[in-house]
Amino acid sequence: ETGVTQTPRHLVMGMTNKKSLKCEQHLGHNAMYWYKQSAKKPLELMFVYSLEERVENNSVPSRFSPECPNSSHLFLHLHTLQPEDSALYLCASSQWGQGTEAFFGQGTRLTVV
Amino acid sequence: AQSVAQPEDQVNVAEGNPLTVKCTYSVSGNPYLFWYVQYPNRGLQFLLKYITGDNLVKGSYGFEAEFNKSQTSFHLKKPSALVSDSALSVCAVPLTRDDKIIFGKGTRLHILP
Repeated sequence: ETGVTQTPRHLVMGMTNKKSLKCEQHLGHNAMYWYKQSAKKPLELMFVYSLEERVENNSVPSRFSPECPNSSHLFLHLHTLQPEDSALYLCASSQWGQGTEAFFGQGTRLTVV
Repeated sequence: AQSVAQPEDQVNVAEGNPLTVKCTYSVSGNPYLFWYVQYPNRGLQFLLKYITGDNLVKGSYGFEAEFNKSQTSFHLKKPSALVSDSALSVCAVPLTRDDKIIFGKGTRLHILP
């Protein structure tokens, strides 16, 4: 248990569906991240929120839409995804500006059919 | 460009033997360095970090890592591997002490019984 909880753990969705991934952290951190992990590729940083402001958007397609309503919650809204978007999506949190390690959730395994 | 490299896709070690997983980095200044491990169907778990001081850092599950500034390396080690150590090991470094973390592509540890 890392203090970062992601739901759901598994998700299968069609290309025309709309779904959302949820992340919640109980560590009092002020930064949250979405990463994508595909087979045999390094972790890809998608979005960073610091103090609830988006500070990084790594050229992610608009079919992925993040939302950070407060410092403890982070969402990733998904719509009209492609099969190549199938991956493990990891949420993480850290204390911005202190060089400390990030703590990760267990991830959501997404399959787009 | 600032980067983290893990040159081995997989490391195979017999149980009871020592293991080493290589990581080299290319970042400016004096880096913080992290190791994470990912067991099957789990998120990344933080293992250990180097900030300053002693070049040999001890972490969870009997792992340790050696920082070598002249070789810009931070290799992960364990004196006696267990089958349960089989996992994906990932090296990471913050780009600055106030910024996001970049990850290596990971090295799969395969401990043979």
